[in-house]
Amino acid sequence: GNSVTQMEGPVTLSEEAFLTINCTYTATGYPSLFWYVQYPGEGLQLLLKATKADDKGSNKGFEATYRKETTSFHLEKGSVQVSDSAVYFCARVNRDDKIIFGKGTRLHILP
Amino acid sequence: EPEVTQTPSHQVTQMGQEVILRCVPISNHLYFYWYRQILGQKVEFLVSFYNNEISEKSEIFDDQFSVERPDGSNFTLKIRSTKLEDSAMYFCASGGSVQETQYFGPGTRLLVL
Repeated sequence: GNSVTQMEGPVTLSEEAFLTINCTYTATGYPSLFWYVQYPGEGLQLLLKATKADDKGSNKGFEATYRKETTSFHLEKGSVQVSDSAVYFCARVNRDDKIIFGKGTRLHILP
Repeated sequence: EPEVTQTPSHQVTQMGQEVILRCVPISNHLYFYWYRQILGQKVEFLVSFYNNEISEKSEIFDDQFSVERPDGSNFTLKIRSTKLEDSAMYFCASGGSVQETQYFGPGTRLLVL
């Protein structure tokens, strides 16, 4: 069936390190893909999105490219900050319009 | 910037009691959703709502759950007789059109004792 798989956390990095959080999806057709972020004690916020193959979503220094050939949507940031500490959810929207979320990856950034 | 709001932020209730979770979607949106997140687990779809009726619901959304848009601004989730396993964070979301971005509220943390 349709699903989203993302790397398990927690991921712990030092400030200014390079970040990659892997995400792959199974799908028929071409879903829209999203990364949502949940900061401590807060709700879900849309971080970035891509709606078709080869699209690159970007926001706050984060980027993810919709790769149809590898069915992936990996999240990257060149230099993380302590304030990036949060849980990151990869997600896709099905034809039936419900979002399928990955399990989330907790990111800890050390000063 | 318009945002989705939810009330209350926290609710504690006794098992078997009814709860109503409230949401005010973004004003020009037409598609409304409820999701939940049990502590430490992933966010799960519950129900979608469009044109005053349910479009889609998950297996979780059984007869104990109902949704309503009682007026032009609110969107509510009712749990008729709460169970311990209903304890979770409940998120409301709204969207302007099908398969477009869904914007989430801050959530209501429900604890059933």
